[in-house]
Amino acid sequence: DAGVTQSPTHLIKTRGQQVTLRCSPKSGHDTVSWYQQALGQGPQFIFQYYEEEERQRGNFPDRFSGHQFPNYSSELNVNALLLGDSALYLCASSSTGRGNNEQFFGPGTRLTVL
Amino acid sequence: GENVEQHPSTLSVQEGDSAVIKCTYSDSASNYFPWYKQELGKRPQLIIDIRSNVGEKKDQRIAVTLNKTAKHFSLHITETQPEDSAVYFCAASEAGYSTLTFGKGTMLLVSP
Repeated sequence: DAGVTQSPTHLIKTRGQQVTLRCSPKSGHDTVSWYQQALGQGPQFIFQYYEEEERQRGNFPDRFSGHQFPNYSSELNVNALLLGDSALYLCASSSTGRGNNEQFFGPGTRLTVL
Repeated sequence: GENVEQHPSTLSVQEGDSAVIKCTYSDSASNYFPWYKQELGKRPQLIIDIRSNVGEKKDQRIAVTLNKTAKHFSLHITETQPEDSAVYFCAASEAGYSTLTFGKGTMLLVSP
């Protein structure tokens, strides 16, 4: 049983570019949450997808958008990249149907914006 | 929204000593409190969690306590080992939403 997977592992972009990150949830999970972890900080919640819709959103600008597919996998898109977007982007999956909050994290995508 | 404060930011102990990390939260609706361990360059891994209907939970050398009245919870690691060295994050969540608000982390260093 594969856990949460993310791609790519590392990514280097320049300011103003756009990026797409991908996440496949743990088998049996239907909910995907995205977090941004700046160096030396705790993860910060970006948004959560359930049933192909954005269910909750954290304090991030509209440059951050996402999508969930029928197979529960998800994408995070960031437009007009800024230097401050450099961070580890973590995807976490969970099961809404089970009613518990336990989240499993993927290995993350390290984004560097130059 | 929820705000989670975590202390200390760094903690150095000798192998075999105990380590305690404390967190406070602001939203009384939060009722799920996990702790994650993150080694350098790796994903956060859940090590223990507690729900608001429980005051204490233990798993071998690790224990977590929760005081809902005071809105604080703590992680206790006994008989620390060098492999316990990592960054530990506390988090809080409201039932039914599963989104987590994290503390800023505690870097635990266990010296042999």
